[in-house]
Amino acid sequence: EVQLVESGGGLVQPGGSLRLSCVASGFSVSSYWMHWVRQAPGKGLVWVSRIKSDGSSTTYADSVKGRFTISRDNAKNTLYLQMNSLRAEDTAVYYCARHRPYLDYWGQGALVTVSS
Amino acid sequence: SYVLTQPPSVSVAPGKTARITCGGNNIGRKSVHWYQQKPGQAPVLVVYDDSDRPSGIPERFSGSNSGNTATLTISRVEAGDEADYYCQVWDSNNDHYVFGTGTKVTVL
Repeated sequence: EVQLVESGGGLVQPGGSLRLSCVASGFSVSSYWMHWVRQAPGKGLVWVSRIKSDGSSTTYADSVKGRFTISRDNAKNTLYLQMNSLRAEDTAVYYCARHRPYLDYWGQGALVTVSS
Repeated sequence: SYVLTQPPSVSVAPGKTARITCGGNNIGRKSVHWYQQKPGQAPVLVVYDDSDRPSGIPERFSGSNSGNTATLTISRVEAGDEADYYCQVWDSNNDHYVFGTGTKVTVL
């Protein structure tokens, strides 16, 4: 059974950093492109970032480019999102998802709250 | 950047048909995917590549795409279909992925 489980969310002050993890089971992340998608409270889905299966290519939404970094550890079957210089508007539930190129499996989400 | 526009809400009686539109410039040239999201839950893929259904998704869910509008159709609507629905495409111009604004479906 395919599962994605995010962790690492929490409360962080503006300007701070946080790293989200997404552990996959039931498939190998090394074989799939992977995404991060976020959803601010009461708002819609917003795509954040994608990484290709070999890690050679990444792409980011303009709102996070230069602040967020997507990466993967194939040995740990885990996807990461390093978030730096966090702002109040980054407050959201962050989902990891598998690319097919549609997003066929999603994690349950990790809440990130940026507030002083 | 590419923009996808959906109606904020659609209301439908049980047993009737709900149609949710997703407007974008020449969207008919792109592959459109649709997701269902119920409160407090992660999104679930209900239609991919304009009109294909993942396994486990009822045949009541169907999709079409032409010109500047893609449409998700839910036939014989049930109370359990009440949710937010999002369309999504890949913007090849900048290698970004775009979600629609979302539509809340209310079953009367």
